[in-house]
Amino acid sequence: DAMVIQNPRYQVTQFGKPVTLSCSQTLNHNVMYWYQQKSSQAPKLLFHYYDKDFNNEADTPDNFQSRRPNTSFCFLDIRSPGLGDAAMYLCATSTDVSGGGNIQYFGAGTRLSVL
Amino acid sequence: QKEVEQDPGPLSVPEGAIVSLNCTYSNSAFQYFMWYRQYSRKGPELLMYTYSSGNKEDGRFTAQVDKSSKYISLFIRDSQPSDSATYLCAMSGGGTSYGKLTFGQGTILTVHP
Repeated sequence: DAMVIQNPRYQVTQFGKPVTLSCSQTLNHNVMYWYQQKSSQAPKLLFHYYDKDFNNEADTPDNFQSRRPNTSFCFLDIRSPGLGDAAMYLCATSTDVSGGGNIQYFGAGTRLSVL
Repeated sequence: QKEVEQDPGPLSVPEGAIVSLNCTYSNSAFQYFMWYRQYSRKGPELLMYTYSSGNKEDGRFTAQVDKSSKYISLFIRDSQPSDSATYLCAMSGGGTSYGKLTFGQGTILTVHP
């Protein structure tokens, strides 16, 4: 049974057209993460939520926003997608463990294409 | 210099071979070490999890951590075609907020029959 579910699996959008990716979880985890992964590269953390507390990475472009309306759901909004935003977007969840050590559970990802 | 270095490969081995995957890191504060396996067009799945230095074995997989050398390894015995995937090392700890993971680039492994 899938525990972290991402929709859609594949998304095609046009240059500059806003797009929203969604993630839901059945694990009741406090923390939810969004990663961007380009071909043959490591996943790059964009931001994370600890409950409703939003934490942006310093180098995440303003073009990327996120919403977490409740524990189970989290959304990634790309306001004006550029060609360079084409990538796999991964959602992950974990329990909160200060100082590290928590296991992150990943969804299957959404592959975004920008035309 | 990247915090975590991983040879991207690709690595191609015959079925039944022993595979060795490695990562080096520079942040001595890392305490938690993980290996994720990622099949093509799928999300990463946790394979092995180790705290601090030492070995951990799970079936055909063995994870080793040498904190003094800042070096971690994953060994796969009797490799199978189903092991063909990208293997990502990941690390956390040392006060990183909310368990932020630092990943290696990933090693692409192909096991051919």
